Amino acid sequence: QQQVKQSPQSLIVQKGGISIINCAYENTAFDYFPWYQQFPGKGPALLIAIRPDVSEKKEGRFTISFNKSAKQFSLHIMDSQPGDSATYFCAATLQGGKLIFGQGTELSVKP
Amino acid sequence: DAGITQSPRHKVTETGTPVTLRCHQTENHRYMYWYRQDPGHGLRLIHYSYGVKDTDKGEVSDGYSVSRSKTEDFLLTLESATSSQTSVYFCAISTRGGNTGELFFGEGSRLTVL
Repeated sequence: QQQVKQSPQSLIVQKGGISIINCAYENTAFDYFPWYQQFPGKGPALLIAIRPDVSEKKEGRFTISFNKSAKQFSLHIMDSQPGDSATYFCAATLQGGKLIFGQGTELSVKP
Repeated sequence: DAGITQSPRHKVTETGTPVTLRCHQTENHRYMYWYRQDPGHGLRLIHYSYGVKDTDKGEVSDGYSVSRSKTEDFLLTLESATSSQTSVYFCAISTRGGNTGELFFGEGSRLTVL
């Protein structure tokens, strides 16, 4: 019940296209939903995050959409660029400090 | 920027030997975490700490122990390393409090158990 399920596992998008990564959860005790970006050989870095009382949050080309009733949230990368090629992780936070990650999506943006 | 130093960055060891990984932070953040990263599994929480001598288990804590005797140091010990513990280990800190899920990660420690 503490799982966060992420899809797809890998994604190839043309430059300028929209990248969409989806996540789903079961535990309604999750109360914060961050996304992380990881480049090879580096640690994950916080990209954007959303609270469950907000349906959408946008920061530059990155948008999180949140559907509380469906227990789903997604990351949209508009105008995808080759520099966005990385692994993306969704995550969910439990009270007390536990942060549970999805399995990751390897994004490749082709020039 | 929060400063995290993980050591060692790379280690090769043999099955059955104890291994300790160290995470050092340069600021006084309360929450510290140890994750392992494996292909197909993403990042899985091993243990975390919410203060000196205050720790709790994560998703995959079997075979691991932690200690935090000082705010700045969080140690992860593999009591008797096994090949299944070959992984990349990441330390992280919460720079805005424990509930936000906004973590700052170190560069990782790659452990190979032969």
